[in-house]
Amino acid sequence: QKEVEQNSGPLSVPEGAIASLNCTYSDRVSQSFFWYRQYSGKSPELIMSIYSNGDKEDGRFTAQLNKASQYVSLLIRDSQPSDSATYLCAVKRETSGSRLTFGEGTQLTVNP
Amino acid sequence: EPEVTQTPSHQVTQMGQEVILRCVPISNHLYFYWYRQILGQKVEFLVSFYNNEISEKSEIFDDQFSVERPDGSNFTLKIRSTKLEDSAMYFCASNSILAGGVEYFGPGTRLTVT
Repeated sequence: QKEVEQNSGPLSVPEGAIASLNCTYSDRVSQSFFWYRQYSGKSPELIMSIYSNGDKEDGRFTAQLNKASQYVSLLIRDSQPSDSATYLCAVKRETSGSRLTFGEGTQLTVNP
Repeated sequence: EPEVTQTPSHQVTQMGQEVILRCVPISNHLYFYWYRQILGQKVEFLVSFYNNEISEKSEIFDDQFSVERPDGSNFTLKIRSTKLEDSAMYFCASNSILAGGVEYFGPGTRLTVT
């Protein structure tokens, strides 16, 4: 079983639609959860962090966490062509110095 | 806004040569990391560093790899004898415990081993 598994892509949505990205993780002691965006040839860029069950909203982005189901998701509302990128789900055992474990990423394309 | 910097942006080396990748973490951060990403694959953890010592390393981080913080600002990754399979993007990241464990990544060094 993969430590962090993301819904297989690529995902294609029209401009203005909602993009839904999903992620499950296997390590039950995981405490911190992150979504990074990565453009081709670039480094991961933090989009959202979430630590408690429920929803967390930041502009057009909403992260959802369900620790009982070991599930974390990212919703992008009003998708823009500039949102086209690979979205990486990452988990960490603690909120401090432990390492990030990444999923393989979901490639999102927003069509004008 | 503070950011992690890395040099060089691209390094080409011959198999068997030593390379040193350099990083300057964000100044008030205490945890430093190296990750790598082989083309088309996921980001993989190599090593973490805290309080001037390795705090965790992956199975990838074998004896050919080493890390060092030679002064108060730089953090380096050395690969002693490069192999073709070391060709990848290498990312440095840093984290302040006050930032909820959020890791900020540098722009990466693309290492090409020929």
